[in-house]
Amino acid sequence: DTAVSQTPKYLVTQMGNDKSIKCEQNLGHDTMYWYKQDSKKFLKIMFSYNNKELIINETVPNRFSPKSPDKAHLNLHINSLELGDSAVYFCASSQEGQSQETQYFGPGTRLLVL
Amino acid sequence: AQSVAQPEDQVNVAEGNPLTVKCTYSVSGNPYLFWYVQYPNRGLQFLLKYITGDNLVKGSYGFEAEFNKSQTSFHLKKPSALVSDSALYFCAVRLSPSGNTPLVFGKGTRLSVIA
Repeated sequence: DTAVSQTPKYLVTQMGNDKSIKCEQNLGHDTMYWYKQDSKKFLKIMFSYNNKELIINETVPNRFSPKSPDKAHLNLHINSLELGDSAVYFCASSQEGQSQETQYFGPGTRLLVL
Repeated sequence: AQSVAQPEDQVNVAEGNPLTVKCTYSVSGNPYLFWYVQYPNRGLQFLLKYITGDNLVKGSYGFEAEFNKSQTSFHLKKPSALVSDSALYFCAVRLSPSGNTPLVFGKGTRLSVIA
């Protein structure tokens, strides 16, 4: 069973469109994250949610809006897509405390904006 | 602020030889250190971590890493490389206690194991 899953796996869209990426984890973790990996493979945190509450928002344009309907899901909605949004977006989850701390990553969503 | 440096963009090693992928870090407190591997068109897979205790930590697929506080390093090692180890390797750091802090990643090192 997939621990952290993301849909869709690939997303090709036109500039100006609005799109969403979904993430679900079945690990019972209380914290979820979105990371962006650019064309040079550099990984950077975008958002972090703990028990449905936003913890971290790393200077991401407000066109990006995360939504956590429950602690097992963290979706990413992107308005007015731009060429520079093309990247791979990874969802991750972890259970804070208890000396665990390991983040488990989803397979990624490859977004291409034309 | 935390930061991670992976000084080598690419490491080439012959199959069967030992491999080392270098990582140094900078944090203001005690670090939690991680290694992840990314195979082509795949997500990141957790390899190993250092939280506390023994400086030498063992992880998946025969990999190990040694935490060196004085040199602020956490180099990844394997005694005998396999062609299937060829991938992109990321070192990452979190501040301890973590308090929901995210991972800060190095820029990655591409490992190529040649048969």
